[in-house]
Amino acid sequence: DTGVSQDPRHKITKRGQNVTFRCDPISEHNRLYWYRQTLGQGPEFLTYFQNEAQLEKSRLLSDRFSAERPKGSFSTLEIQRTEQGDSAMYLCASSLQAVSEAFFGQGTRLTVV
Amino acid sequence: AQSVSQHNHHVILSEAASLELGCNYSYGGTVNLFWYVQYPGQHLQLLLKYFSGDPLVKGIKGFEAEFIKSKFSFNLRKPSVQWSDTAEYFCAVNALSNNDMRFGAGTRLTVKP
Repeated sequence: DTGVSQDPRHKITKRGQNVTFRCDPISEHNRLYWYRQTLGQGPEFLTYFQNEAQLEKSRLLSDRFSAERPKGSFSTLEIQRTEQGDSAMYLCASSLQAVSEAFFGQGTRLTVV
Repeated sequence: AQSVSQHNHHVILSEAASLELGCNYSYGGTVNLFWYVQYPGQHLQLLLKYFSGDPLVKGIKGFEAEFIKSKFSFNLRKPSVQWSDTAEYFCAVNALSNNDMRFGAGTRLTVKP
């Protein structure tokens, strides 16, 4: 499968713990996005990268959230000191160019207990 | 504020009925427009896209959408829905001024057999 892959698919963590998610985009795609989706809502934009540069961060992304794309390939999203409100599906998408359609991964479902 | 609005939260139709889902956006300038579909338990998939040219675009599975610039709208249509069209539909806008991609809240479509 050469699509966008995300790991893990599911994560259950205790409140206060740190979690890290990984996204592997389609190999030649320069643009990588992170979104958060809760039940009954559309994907909410969190941040995006052009190659290794993080170009925009949503105000939704508090100081507890950090994302990296160190070599312009895979990306990680870390949430520190998780809270119950962080429970959501975290989606990664990639696109070939800034103006191309985005291809989505299956998402990582985070449950904070 | 820039936004994408989908006014229909949940639409219920019988098979063979016609479908129109509304999407309005508030971005100025040049935009690329997308409709994504999310079938139960699956990831977001591209249904169709508009970049430029003919404002009536055709997508997969018999879907089409019309871009009306003066109304800031990009409504999705299908002449005759099938039970297999039951899914959540998301409108998305990529504003070339800031290059990120924002989504509407989604419309859940239920097609009764």
